[in-house]
Amino acid sequence: DTEVTQTPKHLVMGMTNKKSLKCEQHMGHRAMYWYKQKAKKPPELMFVYSYEKLSINESVPSRFSPECPNSSLLNLHLHALQPEDSALYLCASSHLQGSNQPQHFGDGTRLSIL
Amino acid sequence: AQKVTQAQTEISVVEKEDVTLDCVYETRDTTYYLFWYKQPPSGELVFLIRRNSFDEQNEISGRYSWNFQKSTSSFNFTITASQVVDSAVYFCALSAYSKAAGNKLTFGGGTRVLVKP
Repeated sequence: DTEVTQTPKHLVMGMTNKKSLKCEQHMGHRAMYWYKQKAKKPPELMFVYSYEKLSINESVPSRFSPECPNSSLLNLHLHALQPEDSALYLCASSHLQGSNQPQHFGDGTRLSIL
Repeated sequence: AQKVTQAQTEISVVEKEDVTLDCVYETRDTTYYLFWYKQPPSGELVFLIRRNSFDEQNEISGRYSWNFQKSTSSFNFTITASQVVDSAVYFCALSAYSKAAGNKLTFGGGTRVLVKP
């Protein structure tokens, strides 16, 4: 079992739907991350939160909207997604930015856009 | 700009053989960290090992060992006596911190390891 929990594990949605991905960790980490991973590719960083504030947005389209309600939770709100957004979405957390601590990843949410 | 290259896209071995995964990196930072992650079919990335740029001592941890050579910018990883459960995609990653970009991981393209019984 991973220490970073992501829900749901699978999600199928239409292009007009609104859905949210959730991520939770209880390791006391103050940095949390969203990655997108296409098949046979490495993860690509989307967003970084540090102390519940957005510190990095890798020019992600506005149809992806992150939210960090508290130090343990990270959400990714989805709206009007495109078929090319189908991918594995990974959440990760780590101790403070700038440290050498490894990022701990969840199992991911496999997202399919119809 | 940082870059991580894993030249091997796929390696197939028979159980109990050793497997060495190559990783070459590029960075202008003087302080950085290198990681190896394993991604089994379930999807989760599992942290395996970490090495900082100031420590070139090579180590062994169980069946895992690594060879860090700063002179050639390489951070190779070896699985000794491979097992079927080692079948996964392995990613080498470079981490560097900057005030502007924060703490970012740059991943290599990954090497798929298939261990046959």
